[in-house]
Amino acid sequence: DIQMTQSPSSLSASVGDRVTITCRASQSVSNYLNWYQQKPGKAPKLLIYAASSLRSGVPSRFSGGGSGTDFSLTISSLQPEDFATYYCQQTYSTWTFGQGTKVEIK
Amino acid sequence: EVQLVESGGGLVKPGGSLRLSCAASGFTFSKAWMSWVRQAPGKGLEWVGRIKSKTDGGTTEYAAPVKGRFTVSRDDSKNTQYLEMNSLRSEDTAVYYCTTWGRYYDGSAYYFFDYWGQGTLVTVSS
Repeated sequence: DIQMTQSPSSLSASVGDRVTITCRASQSVSNYLNWYQQKPGKAPKLLIYAASSLRSGVPSRFSGGGSGTDFSLTISSLQPEDFATYYCQQTYSTWTFGQGTKVEIK
Repeated sequence: EVQLVESGGGLVKPGGSLRLSCAASGFTFSKAWMSWVRQAPGKGLEWVGRIKSKTDGGTTEYAAPVKGRFTVSRDDSKNTQYLEMNSLRSEDTAVYYCTTWGRYYDGSAYYFFDYWGQGTLVTVSS
């Protein structure tokens, strides 16, 4: 199976900060890469698919990039509702998720 | 509004069985591809299994840890997806989420989980 490794595992940031989370695949997944946001006690929500396509209704401060093995999720200006855990997922082969990145309030 | 409501979770002994249900509304269920994703307590997400619509073959696929023990099925007349779980192990303890299996085509096919239920907890313990 393709292993997905996110970094950092957690980070502390302030409202208004620019935040970038990275996701690395153990082999190329082309751009078959999605990002999800999960808040405590809630189901995950899809943010980005196909590495850089923003899901309808998701704020434009979220953006995704990358291809092959290296990907990023950027929040341009962190808002209070963005404190959550973020997961990447590859759908190139036998779908797998990263271990998650927890974004906490500084 | 898309709604997915899971039920059937609970406490089961190792080696036991359980069937989860996912009642869907707000979209044409018979055309939807569906999936199950689980999350062990305090852990990350793990895809479990998926099923295509009957018009697209109704085929199923499973993650390696559950293959041969879990079965995904659907009843389009009831707008319901099921997850039959047999030979349960302690490591199957998790919240199980029902999801829609979305897809986007631009020459290639991109898949994602676009709608999620609230989840149902399965605890495997003696």
